[in-house]
Amino acid sequence: SQQGEEDPQALSIQEGENATMNCSYKTSINNLQWYRQNSGRGLVHLILIRSNEREKHSGRLRVTLDTSKKSSSLLITASRAADTASYFCPIRGNKLVFGAGTILRVKS
Amino acid sequence: NAGVMQNPRHLVRRRGQEARLRCSPMKGHSHVYWYRQLPEEGLKFMVYLQKENIIDESGMPKERFSAEFPKEGPSILRIQQVVRGDSAAYFCASSPPDRINYGYTFGSGTRLTVV
Repeated sequence: SQQGEEDPQALSIQEGENATMNCSYKTSINNLQWYRQNSGRGLVHLILIRSNEREKHSGRLRVTLDTSKKSSSLLITASRAADTASYFCPIRGNKLVFGAGTILRVKS
Repeated sequence: NAGVMQNPRHLVRRRGQEARLRCSPMKGHSHVYWYRQLPEEGLKFMVYLQKENIIDESGMPKERFSAEFPKEGPSILRIQQVVRGDSAAYFCASSPPDRINYGYTFGSGTRLTVV
């Protein structure tokens, strides 16, 4: 399969806690991207990490990439209710292929 | 920069009618992608276009669906003789030629309801 597989399928945490989501893939990549989709809305590009990078930060987001294990993780620190959304790590051939995503629910 | 513009936001069609969905990519983006999202499901790739060319249409249903991205104007996804099963959210995304360092920008989608 060319798509990224997100894990867990669903995650429920309290506001202020950290949330960690994982992504596994099978093909070689130039980069790995994470996207967020709030219910019923379009997707928002969160962060892109290139294959020669191991870690990248953007605000409360921290992404790691391990190309030897073909895996990535997305950490959201100090979560907020507004972080409630689905999170995806689509894999790119000539187009992005999306998996089922991780549904994150942040309870206030 | 206005981002990726999709219109209409909501579209209601009766069975058998035609639906036309429009997507204007971000300025400087020459690649356009269409995705469909059924209720409670993930995004499914439909078609990838560059100006005047269809690059990959492996996700397009063989009948009734077509897409174009003309030299001038927006990309159009056209669904002929719509059926209830076509009811979904249709998202358009665009990207620049440099696909190593940049991700996609998505529009807000068109929600098609077939009655």
